[in-house]
Amino acid sequence: GIQVEQSPPDLILQEGANSTLRCNFSDSVNNLQWFHQNPWGQLINLFYIPSGTKQNGRLSATTVATERYSLLYISSSQTTDSGVYFCAARKGGGSNYKLTFGKGTLLTVNP
Amino acid sequence: GAVVSQHPSRVICKSGTSVKIECRSLDFQATTMFWYRQFPKQSLMLMATSNEGSKATYEQGVEKDKFLINHASLTLSTLTVTSAHPEDSSFYICSASIRGPGTGELFFGEGSRLTVL
Repeated sequence: GIQVEQSPPDLILQEGANSTLRCNFSDSVNNLQWFHQNPWGQLINLFYIPSGTKQNGRLSATTVATERYSLLYISSSQTTDSGVYFCAARKGGGSNYKLTFGKGTLLTVNP
Repeated sequence: GAVVSQHPSRVICKSGTSVKIECRSLDFQATTMFWYRQFPKQSLMLMATSNEGSKATYEQGVEKDKFLINHASLTLSTLTVTSAHPEDSSFYICSASIRGPGTGELFFGEGSRLTVL
């Protein structure tokens, strides 16, 4: 199956700093999603971005499908941004939408 | 976005009992739902794919007799952990895809935290 690798595994920031999280995947994809897992465990959909660039407030994401990576940018970070960020990808082809998750990036934003 | 709801959010049971977790798609029909398990400080691992009206497909290493999945309607899938033991304690989370060719985006439920005493 597809392999998904995220970096860095851990990231500590001061409030107001910017950050970039990276996701590499081993095969062509037709689904690439970024999630934020809140302290209660719920996965919050951030971006559905199999290719291209999207922005939502202080967050933006870019996927370069031909080079098999995606980046999540967080600008002007806030303490509420803390948590685990997951990237998940689905290999192209087929119709069962099986997503494979990376191991996540644990982000800590200090006041 | 689409809404997926899980119930219960938290359950504590005695060893040897069975526990049922429900996953509902509230505002769309889902021919396919996925069940994931997450151990503390780890990533989500797919357990099985639930298909409406047919048998579930289990990932390698997942015991189908231990984790019974029923997808009886286009809006409901259930996961039953049979004869639960402490090692089954985990966070179980379901997801659903929107019916039809449309978007491939997956939406996730709130998760169910199972503790087996």
